[in-house]
Amino acid sequence: ETGVTQTPRHLVMGMTNKKSLKCEQHLGHNAMYWYKQSAKKPLELMFVYSLEERVENNSVPSRFSPECPNSSHLFLHLHTLQPEDSALYLCASSQVRESANTGELFFGEGSRLTVL
Amino acid sequence: GESVGLHLPTLSVQEGDNSIINCAYSNSASDYFIWYKQESGKGPQFIIDIRSNMDKRQGQRVTVLLNKTVKHLSLQIAATQPGDSAVYFCAEIPSSYKLIFGSGTRLLVRP
Repeated sequence: ETGVTQTPRHLVMGMTNKKSLKCEQHLGHNAMYWYKQSAKKPLELMFVYSLEERVENNSVPSRFSPECPNSSHLFLHLHTLQPEDSALYLCASSQVRESANTGELFFGEGSRLTVL
Repeated sequence: GESVGLHLPTLSVQEGDNSIINCAYSNSASDYFIWYKQESGKGPQFIIDIRSNMDKRQGQRVTVLLNKTVKHLSLQIAATQPGDSAVYFCAEIPSSYKLIFGSGTRLLVRP
């Protein structure tokens, strides 16, 4: 148990569906992240939220839409995805201190997404 | 550009032997590095970290070495056990909020 919970663990969707991935952290951290993990590729940073404001958007297509309603919750809304978007989507949180780089990231177990 | 890469995609070791996993990074501005372990079906888990003002840090059965001259990191696991079988990632942190991960090395432990 890492303190970061992701749901659902597995999701299969068609290209015209709309679905959402949910992440909740119980660690009191002030930053949350979405990463994409594809086979044989490095972990790719998608979005970062710090104190509920988006501070990083790594050229992610608009069919992925993040939402951070509070410091404990992070969503990734999915719409008209492509088969190549099939991957493991990992949420993470960390405590970022002023004038310091982010510390250790705590990851959830991931949501395995399959786009048909 | 920024990149973190691993020299060996798969490492097979005999149980009880020591393992060494290597990583090269390219951003001279990075001052913090982390090794993560990812077991099948799980998210990455923190193993050990090191800041750029150090060249060696030891944990329980693990040691991380940092060579800033050649931008190289290594993770040493002593007396490798079956439970150590996983994919290992190095990550560099060149700026706030940004972790850049390497492609990962799969460690296989032979009984």
